[in-house]
Parts: sequence; structure tokens; C-alpha cells
Amino acid sequence: QKEVEQNSGPLSVPEGAIASLNCTYSDRGSQSFFWYRQYSGKSPELIMFIYSNGDKEDGRFTAQLNKASQYVSLLIRDSQPSDSATYLCAAPPIFGTGTLLAVQP
Amino acid sequence: DTGVSQDPRHKITKRGQNVTFRCDPISEHNRLYWYRQTLGQGPEFLTYFQNEAQLEKSRLLSDRFSAERPKGSFSTLEIQRTEQGDSAMYLCASSLPETPGGYTFGSGTRLTVV
Repeated sequence: QKEVEQNSGPLSVPEGAIASLNCTYSDRGSQSFFWYRQYSGKSPELIMFIYSNGDKEDGRFTAQLNKASQYVSLLIRDSQPSDSATYLCAAPPIFGTGTLLAVQP
Repeated sequence: DTGVSQDPRHKITKRGQNVTFRCDPISEHNRLYWYRQTLGQGPEFLTYFQNEAQLEKSRLLSDRFSAERPKGSFSTLEIQRTEQGDSAMYLCASSLPETPGGYTFGSGTRLTVV
């Protein structure tokens, strides 16, 4: 059974801080990893994806992948209250349960 | 193209009834996925299609669930003999073949079984 594990949170950070969201996966054969954001009552929307070990940056977001440790993370720099949402990690087609992020003004 | 469309948005049904949901993906997306999501959980994978072929079906999926994509365009998900535990948001997503995990989700169909 393929699994993706996330801490459900909530993760609370002050406005302007770096939010760090983590995810582990069980299937060593997984090649690609995706981060989605889901606002309450809405559908998930794609933030970014990563295929290779190391870091990938897109604006305020940085995805990190360590295939040896089966670990994926998402860093959000200069967190804003509008970033408050549930962040879902996926090793398609499997999703984690999501981490609820709360950015305090 | 207006994205992924799902119909209906809401469905209330009595236990034991059959229900069918429809999904229209983005036209150039040949992959289509069905997920189920309950409160506080991530999307649970049900099944996916590449064009008209159903390539994978979750082992957790009861025989009461069936999905079709007859012409490789829209898809339907049918639940037979609904149970209260089937109450959830049913999400459809589509993607391009070159980014198979880069889903665009529809707004979902919320099913309530009473």
C-alpha cells in the first residue's frame, strides 16, 4: 500500500516568517512529487512539483526532495495570512492528509 | 475552455439508491482521475483513465463503484446501493500526459446519503 504521510498540524507561523511543511512517502519507485494548496471549502490547486533531488524555487515557494530519505518539503518564505490553507503533498496518484497552515497577522 | 466541470454540485440521496456523477475534463487533457475527500482528509484515489482506458482502480474501491469514460472525453462515476459512509466530496481531476501528477481539479460533487 503506497502511503504519503504528513503532519496534520495546525502549523502556526507569524506573518513574514518561513513556513516549513514536510512529507514522507513509502514507495521508493515514486518519481515525481507535487504540492497542492486547498482553501477551506475549495478544491486543491497545484503549487509546484519536483522530480530531482535538491531544491526547486518558484517565487516565495521552494520544494525540496531527498529520495534517499524519501522526504519532500515545501518552504514558504515571507508567509502571508492569505497563505493560510491546507497543504497537500502528493506522490501521484496518492495524496497525504494535508497540513493545515495558519499565518498569524 | 472553462476548466474541469462536474455535475451535479450537490446530491442528496436515500440509502440504497444509485447515483451517477459526471465530469468533463479540460479538452486537451487525456488523463482523468476520480478522488473522494472527507473532512480533514486528503483526496483518496479511486480510479484513473488515460483516454478511454481505465488504467488503475484503487483496491479500496468497493464493487458498488464503477466509472466509465466511453469516448475518452467526459467520465461518469456511479455508486450503486449507496451507504451513509459514501457521503463525501467526489472530486474529478484531469492532467496532460507529460505532467501526469499536475492535476486541475473540478469543484466537486458533494454527496449526502440520508
